[in-house]
Amino acid sequence: EVQLVESGGGLVQPGRSLKLSCLASKFTFSNYGMNWIRQAPGKGLEWVASISSSGSYIYFADTVKGRFTISRDNAKNTLYLQMTSLRSEDTALYYCARHPQLGPYYFDYWGQGVMVTVSS
Amino acid sequence: DIQMTQSPPSLSASLGETVSIECRASEDIYSNLAWYQQKSGKSPQLLIYYASSLQDGVPSRFSGSGSGTQYSLKISGMQPEDEGVYYCLQGSKYPRTFGGGTKLELK
Repeated sequence: EVQLVESGGGLVQPGRSLKLSCLASKFTFSNYGMNWIRQAPGKGLEWVASISSSGSYIYFADTVKGRFTISRDNAKNTLYLQMTSLRSEDTALYYCARHPQLGPYYFDYWGQGVMVTVSS
Repeated sequence: DIQMTQSPPSLSASLGETVSIECRASEDIYSNLAWYQQKSGKSPQLLIYYASSLQDGVPSRFSGSGSGTQYSLKISGMQPEDEGVYYCLQGSKYPRTFGGGTKLELK
């Protein structure tokens, strides 16, 4: 069964940075596009960023563009989200999720999520 | 950006009742529509992709339909384990956008 395990969350002050990781297992990570999606407490789902299998294609939500960077290390089976200039509105549970091989049109497996709290 | 308008925001159904949830896109999304179920405290689980394809392992009482800008998820015979929040997702264009969610409860 596909496994995605996020880490790196925590409490951070506004304006500071944080880097999330997502360790993938039980599938060939380098063959799949990957994503970050977040969910503010008590709210709905918000797509954050996507990266293709090779890392050549990257997309961001306007709310994080210029502040967040998505990357991957296929040798380490790991997806990253570097978050800078954090704001209170970035407080959320951050999920990594996989695109299926059929195409980048939906997400087929999700991790359990990691909490990021931005507060002074 | 493509806006996804989901309705109703909440729904209460009796055991065995058939339930429908709708999603309307602000433009044609060419059946690039997925449905997710999120149970309390859990990650979203994929139910339906490409508007009507059932994800492996999902009970056959779940079905999806629609085209263009109008899509729906049907649960044929509500079960207690179907309680949760349901979201639609459009995968036609970036940024990917979700519907606002439908909270489904057992009456």
